[in-house]
Amino acid sequence: ELKVEQNPLFLSMQEGKNYTIYCNYSTTSDRLYWYRQDPGKSLESLFVLLSNGAVKQEGRLMASLDTKARLSTLHITAAVHDLSATYFCAARPTYGGSQGNLIFGKGTKLSVKP
Amino acid sequence: DSGVTQTPKHLITATGQRVTLRCSPRSGDLSVYWYQQSLDQGLQFLIQYYNGEERAKGNILERFSAQQFPDLHSELNLSSLELGDSALYFCASSVAGVEQFFGPGTRLTVL
Repeated sequence: ELKVEQNPLFLSMQEGKNYTIYCNYSTTSDRLYWYRQDPGKSLESLFVLLSNGAVKQEGRLMASLDTKARLSTLHITAAVHDLSATYFCAARPTYGGSQGNLIFGKGTKLSVKP
Repeated sequence: DSGVTQTPKHLITATGQRVTLRCSPRSGDLSVYWYQQSLDQGLQFLIQYYNGEERAKGNILERFSAQQFPDLHSELNLSSLELGDSALYFCASSVAGVEQFFGPGTRLTVL
C-alpha cells in the first residue's frame, strides 16, 4: 500500500530565506504531484513530475523527483509572504486496482513572516 | 478557477440525514474523483468514475455511494450521517489521468 510522508508538517520562515519540503513515498509510483491549498480553499496544482530526475520551476518554487530514492522535494527560494499556504505532495500508485487516484501526504503548513 | 464546479458550497444537516453532493467536471474530462478532507484523516480518496463506470474505490464507507451520469456530472450520496462525516468534500477531474483539477469543494457540517 502506497504511503506518502511529508516533512516538516509546519514551517515558519522569514522572508528572503530558502527552505526545502521533503516528500517520501513508500512504494513504486509513476507520478508525483505538488498542490497548494489556501485556508478554506481548493487545491491548486503546482507541479506534476513524471520521471526520474524531473525538475520543474515556477517562480520561487522548484520541485524535483528522485524515483530511486522515492523522494521529491519542493524548494522555496527567497520566500515571500504570498507563499504562505499549505503544500501537499501526492503520489499515484502504479499497482493494484486504484491506479487513477492520488495518495496525499499530510501537508506542510508554511508561514512566511517579515 | 479549475473549471470543475461543485454544489452546494456549504451544507449543514443533522445526524441520520442523507445529502447529495454534485460535481461537474471540466469540459472534455471523462474521469471524476471524490476526495474527503478532514482534520483527523487529511485528504483521502473515496472513489473514481471514468465515463460512467466505477474505476477505483478507496476508503469509502458503505453509507456513501456515488455515480456518474451520461452527461459526465457526478453525485456523491452520503446517508445515515454521523458527526464524523463533517469534512470538506472535493471533486477532481482529469482527461487522461495525468493531472487532476480540483473543484472548490463542498463543506459539510453534521450537527
